[in-house]
Amino acid sequence: DAGITQSPRHKVTETGTPVTLRCHQTENHRYMYWYRQDPGHGLRLIHYSYGVKDTDKGEVSDGYSVSRSKTEDFLLTLESATSSQTSVYFCAISDLAGGGETQYFGPGTRLLVL
Amino acid sequence: DAKTTQPPSMDCAEGRAANLPCNHSTISGNEYVYWYRQIHSQGPQYIIHGLKNNETNEMASLIITEDRKSSTLILPHATLRDTAVYYCIVTIQKLVFGTGTRLLVSP
Repeated sequence: DAGITQSPRHKVTETGTPVTLRCHQTENHRYMYWYRQDPGHGLRLIHYSYGVKDTDKGEVSDGYSVSRSKTEDFLLTLESATSSQTSVYFCAISDLAGGGETQYFGPGTRLLVL
Repeated sequence: DAKTTQPPSMDCAEGRAANLPCNHSTISGNEYVYWYRQIHSQGPQYIIHGLKNNETNEMASLIITEDRKSSTLILPHATLRDTAVYYCIVTIQKLVFGTGTRLLVSP
């Protein structure tokens, strides 16, 4: 398995509180991604990064911000958590080697916003 | 705006080949066909990808039709641990996940 860890693995928080999820990689891959997965939906891209300090929005970026100050870490922040952000969050990494988009996913973080 | 069509579910007997179809009739010339799977509660796992030619690795084989409008993922000897949701994705770069095919491998 690719060296990807996510922390925390589970979190319960209250509406209106800030939450930060961390993705850490040991593969030195350039690209990192945050997805969310909800029942009845496939994975949806929130934000991605194509290098240190270089990030861009995905299809469901509202209410989320990201930061990448080091190659190995990609942080996802919910500035003021809402119940609609209850979800499973997956981080992924990629180096685009071999053409196309081979991504390796972390184990996920289960977030419950009460 | 999924670019692929997959059956929602399939069954397979343990030890038999599992053949998962995917239609992608609007695929463009520079788009790859990717297959991922997601075992319950885990992160998605890359399986295989291809552009034009058939591909094989230690996990599976990918058969792409000559017109590239459809493909089949083949798990040659399915095991119980292959029970998962399988996603077929057509892309140049970013992955867009649909709802996939839920494969159930039974004893």
